[in-house]
Amino acid sequence: AQSVTQLDSQVPVFEEAPVELRCNYSSSVSVYLFWYVQYPNQGLQLLLKYLSGSTLVESINGFEAEFNKSQTSFHLRKPSVHISDTAEYFCAVSPTEAAGNKLTFGGGTRVLVKP
Amino acid sequence: EPEVTQTPSHQVTQMGQEVILRCVPISNHLYFYWYRQILGQKVEFLVSFYNNEISEKSEIFDDQFSVERPDGSNFTLKIRSTKLEDSAMYFCASSRDIGEAFFGQGTRLTVV
Repeated sequence: AQSVTQLDSQVPVFEEAPVELRCNYSSSVSVYLFWYVQYPNQGLQLLLKYLSGSTLVESINGFEAEFNKSQTSFHLRKPSVHISDTAEYFCAVSPTEAAGNKLTFGGGTRVLVKP
Repeated sequence: EPEVTQTPSHQVTQMGQEVILRCVPISNHLYFYWYRQILGQKVEFLVSFYNNEISEKSEIFDDQFSVERPDGSNFTLKIRSTKLEDSAMYFCASSRDIGEAFFGQGTRLTVV
């Protein structure tokens, strides 16, 4: 079984400031890692993913996350946030060996970007 | 860009009634899922469906729940006799294989 912990339920941040959202996971098997974003009144959208290869992955809108196997973490960062980044962010994992893509989610981190 | 479509966006039903939530997954995807999110709680896996059968289900997915892919395009979740605690946002998702699940916008189910 897998579990995902997002330590911060809410993160207020000023526009153009950096932000880091923490994600730690527990799993007895290897996992793939994902960050999903949920904008107000919308569904979940994939932000970025780690499947294999370079442990640093980037999204098209400036977010990056680094997979740290020894610390079982997959923290999400952005050096300079915009008002439009206000959303809830979910970290998720899925087992590499299982067919399909059953996701286990963390509790979410609500980011509020202030002008 | 292809997307997962869910209908209705909001459903209100009386306790004890049957409800069917509908989803149209992305056409070339092979795996289909239902998740739910009770207000203020985590997104929880309910069931996965592959090759016309359930491949995995959670403890939440008891005999009151069923899924069906009746016509090769729709994917439905039925709750036979709704309870107050079934009130949640229900998300359908689909994936071609590993790596990315595409989610619909969700159906907010309110049981009164």
